[in-house]
Amino acid sequence: DQQVKQNSPSLSVQEGRISILNCDYTNSMFDYFLWYKKYPAEGPTFLISISSIKDKNEDGRFTVFLNKSAKHLSLHIVPSQPGDSAVYFCAASASFTGANSKLTFGKGITLSVRP
Amino acid sequence: GAGVSQSPSNKVTEKGKDVELRCDPISGHTALYWYRQSLGQGLEFLIYFQGNSAPDKSGLPSDRFSAERTGGSVSTLTIQRTQQEDSAVYLCASSLDRRQGLGGELFFGEGSRLTVL
Repeated sequence: DQQVKQNSPSLSVQEGRISILNCDYTNSMFDYFLWYKKYPAEGPTFLISISSIKDKNEDGRFTVFLNKSAKHLSLHIVPSQPGDSAVYFCAASASFTGANSKLTFGKGITLSVRP
Repeated sequence: GAGVSQSPSNKVTEKGKDVELRCDPISGHTALYWYRQSLGQGLEFLIYFQGNSAPDKSGLPSDRFSAERTGGSVSTLTIQRTQQEDSAVYLCASSLDRRQGLGGELFFGEGSRLTVL
């Protein structure tokens, strides 16, 4: 049973446009959400996070939006750049299980930014 | 080095053999995780170590899998009697303690790609 779902396996956007990557979760105990980016043959790298007490967190070109009632979050990248082409993983954790509780990851979405 | 170091980067083995994968976390990180990514799948949690607490082994897929973390630093993931379905990239990650108000984000190594023939 997938608790974190990234239903679209891939997304292709034009350079300069906005990329919107979606993620849904089923566990209402999740209260901390993260996005990771992964290039081929490399480990995932942390991109941005959001706590459930917020509904938006922005860092440069990257913004994460959280809709708790819909159990949905999204990552917006604007403007998109060819270097953003990678696999993006959504992850979530429930802090009640411990300070560094395990992250549950989605299957990832492959973003391709066309020059 | 400054990052999470994993070895070997690639391992090809025959079905039924035992393998050991090593992870050297970032110095000072109290939490250490093992995940694996099978072809076309997301990151699957295997095991989590936090300081001196008992590890969370809830993600280990079978009793053929075990892991140790010695001295609160280096960790070894052991897979006994490997099967073809064990073929995956095994990723190790470490993090600071979220209780200190630090992000809790994981820092991953480059992974160990295991192929079981």
